[in-house]
Amino acid sequence: NAGVMQNPRHLVRRRGQEARLRCSPMKGHSHVYWYRQLPEEGLKFMVYLQKENIIDESGMPKERFSAEFPKEGPSILRIQQVVRGDSAAYFCASSPVGQGARNQPQHFGDGTRLSIL
Amino acid sequence: DAKTTQPPSMDCAEGRAANLPCNHSTISGNEYVYWYRQIHSQGPQYIIHGLKNNETNEMASLIITEDRKSSTLILPHATLRDTAVYYCIVRHSGNTPLVFGKGTRLSVIA
Repeated sequence: NAGVMQNPRHLVRRRGQEARLRCSPMKGHSHVYWYRQLPEEGLKFMVYLQKENIIDESGMPKERFSAEFPKEGPSILRIQQVVRGDSAAYFCASSPVGQGARNQPQHFGDGTRLSIL
Repeated sequence: DAKTTQPPSMDCAEGRAANLPCNHSTISGNEYVYWYRQIHSQGPQYIIHGLKNNETNEMASLIITEDRKSSTLILPHATLRDTAVYYCIVRHSGNTPLVFGKGTRLSVIA
């Protein structure tokens, strides 16, 4: 039973380029969460999505960041015109849906380490 | 902000039980206590969660006080591979995001 899959594991971009981070949730999970961990800091929530819907984006920066979770395919976190401060580890988590799943834990992938030159 | 308080660091001898405390004095009736850990450079790993009863699984035990204002995560026989940052998180029922604090950095020593 495959876990949450994130790719790439490492991504290097130059300032001004775009970064695309992908997340495939666990089988049977249709809730996806993105978190960011800056160097030497804790994880901070960014956005929560269900298939084709953004449920909570209260942690997303107002500009340059967007997320989607299409009907088919992985969830994508997109960062446009990257800056040095975007260098961080980005983690995706997923959880199941359904009446009995309300208190089920989120399971995390191993993250994408984004480095901005 | 996180609704939990944890000591910043702890040491534990290999083979001994590691008891990690967590205070959550403002917890409400429908909030669960979750524990995760993060081993260096990996994603957070779910350990255990509970509402008011003590819980045990293959990884750990969770002891929640009767007033629910604090809890203890117990790793019964710590190994070097248990060295990690341990996060205690209080979360409403449902699919709400997790709010991570600074956690406890557990060092298991040979």
